Amino acid sequence: AQSVSQHNHHVILSEAASLELGCNYSYGGTVNLFWYVQYPGQHLQLLLKYFSGDPLVKGIKGFEAEFIKSKFSFNLRKPSVQWSDTAEYFCAVNARYGGSQGNLIFGKGTKLSVKP
Amino acid sequence: DTEVTQTPKHLVMGMTNKKSLKCEQHMGHRAMYWYKQKAKKPPELMFVYSYEKLSINESVPSRFSPECPNSSLLNLHLHALQPEDSALYLCASSQESLAGVPGEQYFGPGTRLTVT
Repeated sequence: AQSVSQHNHHVILSEAASLELGCNYSYGGTVNLFWYVQYPGQHLQLLLKYFSGDPLVKGIKGFEAEFIKSKFSFNLRKPSVQWSDTAEYFCAVNARYGGSQGNLIFGKGTKLSVKP
Repeated sequence: DTEVTQTPKHLVMGMTNKKSLKCEQHMGHRAMYWYKQKAKKPPELMFVYSYEKLSINESVPSRFSPECPNSSLLNLHLHALQPEDSALYLCASSQESLAGVPGEQYFGPGTRLTVT
């Protein structure tokens, strides 16, 4: 069965600090990978996605993520965070083929708090 | 239009009530989803509809009854709920290619349900 691990439950940073949120998944097949963000009181929004091709993907609001197949990882990065990045961040995976198509598996989420 | 809309935004219901949640998208997506999200937790998949047919039911109690009247609409009928069913109910949609590879999911803002 697929699973997604986000190692950091709560990350607290000051503005302008660099961010890296870890995400590891367990699935032997080909996967689609996503990072979603949920700002306080708002709905889930897609930050970025990886389906195939260049393993370094760029998303909205200056976020990027790198897919490292050998490490089953898809870590999220941002060089300089802002107070407005305060939110919950979810890594998600779905299998590209097989019986669980479309079944997004979410990590438990990482709460990011950015101090002004 | 990349929007998924959900009504109502908030719903308070008693344990003997019958109510329905509604979801609508006009992106031409043929896969639609219901998720349940408890506070500070990731979304949990409940149901998946693919081409208006129920394809995944994640062992959800029968007091939750999904319905997909057409390719743009998704309903969740609620009856005899329990207080522990109080949560944010999220609808999402995605494209499905002919190869069955799902695209990214677009989420609605959710319905905040309270069962008294």
